[in-house]
Amino acid sequence: GQNIDQPTEMTATEGAIVQINCTYQTSGFNGLFWYQQHAGEAPTFLSYNVLDGLEEKGRFSSFLSRSKGYSYLLLKELQMKDSASYLCAVRDSNYQLIWGAGTKLIIKP
Amino acid sequence: GAVVSQHPSWVICKSGTSVKIECRSLDFQATTMFWYRQFPKQSLMLMATSNEGSKATYEQGVEKDKFLINHASLTLSTLTVTSAHPEDSSFYICSARDVAGGDYEQYFGPGTRLTVT
Repeated sequence: GQNIDQPTEMTATEGAIVQINCTYQTSGFNGLFWYQQHAGEAPTFLSYNVLDGLEEKGRFSSFLSRSKGYSYLLLKELQMKDSASYLCAVRDSNYQLIWGAGTKLIIKP
Repeated sequence: GAVVSQHPSWVICKSGTSVKIECRSLDFQATTMFWYRQFPKQSLMLMATSNEGSKATYEQGVEKDKFLINHASLTLSTLTVTSAHPEDSSFYICSARDVAGGDYEQYFGPGTRLTVT
């Protein structure tokens, strides 16, 4: 079956760095996405990786290793507004998005 | 750019009634729109994929006669929950694929919270 694993919850301190991991096993691979979702709101797109390596976008970076079925989202200089759920999603061979359950990130002052 | 709107943002209805939710792409054309459902503290669950001008493709376990999807134009898709029951109470989110933005661009609407009493 298809499976995406990410930690349920993480806690970090304002100003620090946090890495959220995602491992996947899917039927084919056509890209991996990271979304941010604040409570009661819809997800917003953060990043897209289809080739191995690191994609940097401001304070956020996303890494992909296709051979390991692994990705991480790196958040630097954490701000209180970064408190949210972070969803990892993989597009499979049918171009369907398979979603992880999300990682709730709690930022403490 | 690439804004998706949903209407209404929240709705309360009585059991047995039907509710229509609209999803619009405001500044781009969306040949494909997706409808998701999300229960509290759970991940997004894809309900169906709709392509403009054709019938929607429903995910396994989603009743197509209960969740009617119409994608009549490149900027509008509607989801009608027919004969709603309390277990249909959920957060419904649509997303649209931006044709011009490349095949990976997918933008989400703000969601509609449905409560069936």
